[in-house]
Amino acid sequence: QVQLQQSGPGLVKPSQTLSLTCAISGDTVSRNSAAWNWIRQSPSRGLEWLGRTYYRSKWYNDYAVSVKSRITINPDTSKNQFSLQLNSVTPEDTAVYYCARVVGSAYNWFDPWGQGTLVTVSS
Amino acid sequence: QSVLTQPPSVSGAPGRRVTISCTGSSSNIGAGYDVHWYQHLPGTAPKLLIYGNSNRPSGVPDRFSGSKSGTSASLAITGLQAEDEADYYCQSYDISLSGSVFGGGTKLTVL
Repeated sequence: QVQLQQSGPGLVKPSQTLSLTCAISGDTVSRNSAAWNWIRQSPSRGLEWLGRTYYRSKWYNDYAVSVKSRITINPDTSKNQFSLQLNSVTPEDTAVYYCARVVGSAYNWFDPWGQGTLVTVSS
Repeated sequence: QSVLTQPPSVSGAPGRRVTISCTGSSSNIGAGYDVHWYQHLPGTAPKLLIYGNSNRPSGVPDRFSGSKSGTSASLAITGLQAEDEADYYCQSYDISLSGSVFGGGTKLTVL
């Protein structure tokens, strides 16, 4: 059974960097048919896919247009986890952040999801 | 402002049937991309309910069913139970945005 365990601070100051980690058990971050995603949910924006990292003989990343200039998702094969960094945050980035796996096509479903991390951007 | 449109709320009495619609466009559902559905209870991780328009993962009761036609999809829940009270979200892929998109969510109230 695949499980995703998130960690990271729940409070970030405006203009600073939001950093979260998602530890994987029961699967491998470098699995050739999986992609590892970050999604957030806020009252104003609903559920919003942020981006993904995946391995297909080499590492690739895809990012949502809305955050493309500020986001980095990195795999860590030594710890079997992946991370999210979102730079220059504003209160608009306040949301519950989830990590999630997709197997197969990029058009497929997210399963499982991490437990979610509420990140508040405030001074 | 969500790419996929869902009704904000639906309700039904125990034992009854409800449906939740998910309307997209020619760049997502209408382009042939599959629709997936999630059940979300506050404070928990979203749970996959239906994948590939109409398929149920192991463990999901057959009271839940999904369908897709044109630029829309629907989730039907029969034999409503109190435990079904939750938020439900649809998800698809959008070729214009080059990424996954979600509906705004529908709150189901069991009367």
